[in-house]
Amino acid sequence: GAGVSQSPSNKVTEKGKDVELRCDPISGHTALYWYRQSLGQGLEFLIYFQGNSAPDKSGLPSDRFSAERTGGSVSTLTIQRTQQEDSAVYLCASSLDGSTTVAKNIQYFGAGTRLSVL
Amino acid sequence: AQSVAQPEDQVNVAEGNPLTVKCTYSVSGNPYLFWYVQYPNRGLQFLLKYITGDNLVKGSYGFEAEFNKSQTSFHLKKPSALVSDSALYFCAVRLGTDSWGKLQFGAGTQVVVTP
Repeated sequence: GAGVSQSPSNKVTEKGKDVELRCDPISGHTALYWYRQSLGQGLEFLIYFQGNSAPDKSGLPSDRFSAERTGGSVSTLTIQRTQQEDSAVYLCASSLDGSTTVAKNIQYFGAGTRLSVL
Repeated sequence: AQSVAQPEDQVNVAEGNPLTVKCTYSVSGNPYLFWYVQYPNRGLQFLLKYITGDNLVKGSYGFEAEFNKSQTSFHLKKPSALVSDSALYFCAVRLGTDSWGKLQFGAGTQVVVTP
């Protein structure tokens, strides 16, 4: 596609429910990233996928958070048993690859999913 | 640990005046530095990057940034600000050799350009 697409754009859920956020990266991009943007915490890295390698999950805040990337393209970020502190904008980005050639690694961001946990 | 700091929460400037958004970094080894801009309800847009070479980097929308190794700074500049430049600006550093994909962002600086 022309850019990184995220859905839904807004999600309101009740505390304790599970939510799934979707990211469709730019066609041909092998690297995909999830970030969280919240007041007081700024932009936090969550998880990074590069091709078929094991994802870098070092930024996931708890075991309630998980992500997968099927077929090397679309990714889903799942938050189980949502808490109010999970309320934030979840941003997805993709890049051509995650190699050491930084020129290839410019990250292009989607518009984000605004999650509100009541 | 690699990090960037943006010391100003907000910068106010009149249209037509020069705009500077400050960023300092702390990295081991060669820094790979980026500037992104975020308009309301939009994702981040890439402005420019510093990898190596010339200390003055030119980017999108008339922005440029100056890499200063002795001062560990990477300030974003624009000679003549526009009202449409009002947005949230983020400085970022690419994290270490074992995690090439991750970016560490600064807290962001809100730029307000008044007519």
